[in-house]
Amino acid sequence: NAGVTQTPKFQVLKTGQSMTLQCAQDMNHEYMSWYRQDPGMGLRLIHYSVGAGITDQGEVPNGYNVSRSTTEDFPLRLLSAAPSQTSVYFCASSYSDRLGEQYFGPGTRLTVT
Amino acid sequence: LAKTTQPISMDSYEGQEVNITCSHNNIATNDYITWYQQFPSQGPRFIIQGYKTKVKNEVASLFIPADRKSSTLSLPRVSLSDTAVYYCLVGGGNAGNMLTFGGGTRLMVKP
Repeated sequence: NAGVTQTPKFQVLKTGQSMTLQCAQDMNHEYMSWYRQDPGMGLRLIHYSVGAGITDQGEVPNGYNVSRSTTEDFPLRLLSAAPSQTSVYFCASSYSDRLGEQYFGPGTRLTVT
Repeated sequence: LAKTTQPISMDSYEGQEVNITCSHNNIATNDYITWYQQFPSQGPRFIIQGYKTKVKNEVASLFIPADRKSSTLSLPRVSLSDTAVYYCLVGGGNAGNMLTFGGGTRLMVKP
């Protein structure tokens, strides 16, 4: 059981480039979410999904897109990277009836220059 | 969204009991209260969750008064390895609810 996996671990982008952060879980969790964490700060919710084919916006969705074509995968796409998107990105998953008990991936550290 | 307020930081010594209180005045009827622990360069880790009264597991206890407007995470006999940031979250009662993290409490355990 790998839990929640994220790739890549580190990424450097130039302003204006696009990329996709990958997230996968093998626990058959319905609920998945993406957070970003800036240095010394708490986590902010970007997007979440309550099941395949269903996504919704969190607190800070601008500049990001998500899709959920399968239960296992929940990729996060940066459309046109900006320096303000430099952050650590965490993906998490849980059962839909236990949303508070989320399992987090190891994170992707993204730098936009 | 229910907002939470926690102390920014706390210091303790090894072997002491640590209590971290979180206030959540606008908690909804179907919201749960959940606590996470985060070490540097790692994702948060679930510690404990409760709805009312007291919950206990092998690492912590969670006390929730009857009005549910606050909660207290209790860590018995802390060690240096308990130095971390602790987050209180409120929400998650229904599928579709957003979970929001507050600023967290930075606990420093000293020898």
